[in-house]
Amino acid sequence: DQQVKQNSPSLSVQEGRISILNCDYTNSMFDYFLWYKKYPAEGPTFLISISSIKDKNEDGRFTVFLNKSAKHLSLHIVPSQPGDSAVYFCAARSSGGSEKLVFGKGTKLTVNP
Amino acid sequence: DADVTQTPRNRITKTGKRIMLECSQTKGHDRMYWYRQDPGLGLRLIYYSFDVKDINKGEISDGYSVSRQAQAKFSLSLESAIPNQTALYFCATSDLGQGAPREQFFGPGTRLTVL
Repeated sequence: DQQVKQNSPSLSVQEGRISILNCDYTNSMFDYFLWYKKYPAEGPTFLISISSIKDKNEDGRFTVFLNKSAKHLSLHIVPSQPGDSAVYFCAARSSGGSEKLVFGKGTKLTVNP
Repeated sequence: DADVTQTPRNRITKTGKRIMLECSQTKGHDRMYWYRQDPGLGLRLIYYSFDVKDINKGEISDGYSVSRQAQAKFSLSLESAIPNQTALYFCATSDLGQGAPREQFFGPGTRLTVL
């Protein structure tokens, strides 16, 4: 059973507009949520995270929103740039001190000039 | 120089062969991980190690084994490769810490094809 779900395999937006990537989860024991970005032929790189006790975390153009009651989080990129084109993975960590992460399937974002 | 390196970067092998994928890191991290990525399935954890004497199974460890030869080295072995082990394999590292999860730093990946 997939605990972290990214239901949109791909998303295409125009440069300068907002990109919204969505993620749903099923495990109430997750205490942190993370977003990783992956370019072709490279390993994933960490982008931003949020604690389950927060509802928003912002870092420059990137903001993550968490709706705990809906078990839903989203990553907003404003404004989107062509260099943001990549695969974005949502990940979650269970409480208890383990550093094990559960990843979603990823969403491929394409930002068109 | 890259902080997390993986060798080989690409490998084609035949069913039944023994394969070893190697990972080295210069970040001084205690924790190391092996993941595989399949198209449409995201990243799945195979094994992880929190220090040289600590090895743990992940989500999909069947058919794999690991060795933590030193703090900086973590190898993944396929004792008898099978075609459904064809995938992109990533090594990752993170340091110790409490509270917020530590960032995992990934290597560039090894593309393994089992014929």
